[in-house]
Amino acid sequence: GAGVSQSPSNKVTEKGKDVELRCDPISGHTALYWYRQSLGQGLEFLIYFQGNSAPDKSGLPSDRFSAERTGGSVSTLTIQRTQQEDSAVYLCASSLEGGPGNTIYFGEGSWLTVV
Amino acid sequence: AQSVTQLGSHVSVSEGALVLLRCNYSSSVPPYLFWYVQYPNQGLQLLLKYTTGATLVKGINGFEAEFKKSETSFHLTKPSAHMSDAAEYFCAVSGGYQKVTFGIGTKLQVIP
Repeated sequence: GAGVSQSPSNKVTEKGKDVELRCDPISGHTALYWYRQSLGQGLEFLIYFQGNSAPDKSGLPSDRFSAERTGGSVSTLTIQRTQQEDSAVYLCASSLEGGPGNTIYFGEGSWLTVV
Repeated sequence: AQSVTQLGSHVSVSEGALVLLRCNYSSSVPPYLFWYVQYPNQGLQLLLKYTTGATLVKGINGFEAEFKKSETSFHLTKPSAHMSDAAEYFCAVSGGYQKVTFGIGTKLQVIP
């Protein structure tokens, strides 16, 4: 596609439910990132996929968070047993490669509200 | 390891005044530096980036930034602020094949 596509754009879920957020990167981009943006918290790195390498999961805040990337393209971020503090905008981004200096392109984000 | 420090989470300037948003970085390898902008209710977009070569980098909408290795800085400037510049600005660093690390952002308010 023309840009990074994320779905759903908005999600309201009850505390304790699981949610899945989807990201479709720009075609041909081998690097994919998930970030979380909370009010006053800036951009928090969650996970990074680069080609066939093992993902960098160092930013996942707890074992309730997981992500996978199938076929080197689409990625799904899963949050299990959601908590109110998980409410945030989840941003996906991709770049042509994970190499130095490559511009990363962001999607519009998925707004998650846990009630 | 790499990190970014943005000084000032909120900056206010008068319309027509100089815009200066500060960014300092830490990187164990030669850094690549970025500024992204997020306008209200929009996604992040690249403003400018430094990879190699000329240390003064020009971006969109009249913004520029200068890479100063000795000061580990990459401050963003614009000579004359416009109302449309009100947004949140993020500095970011990457090095080698490491992930891109962002600062916490600076919200720019432009006062008429």
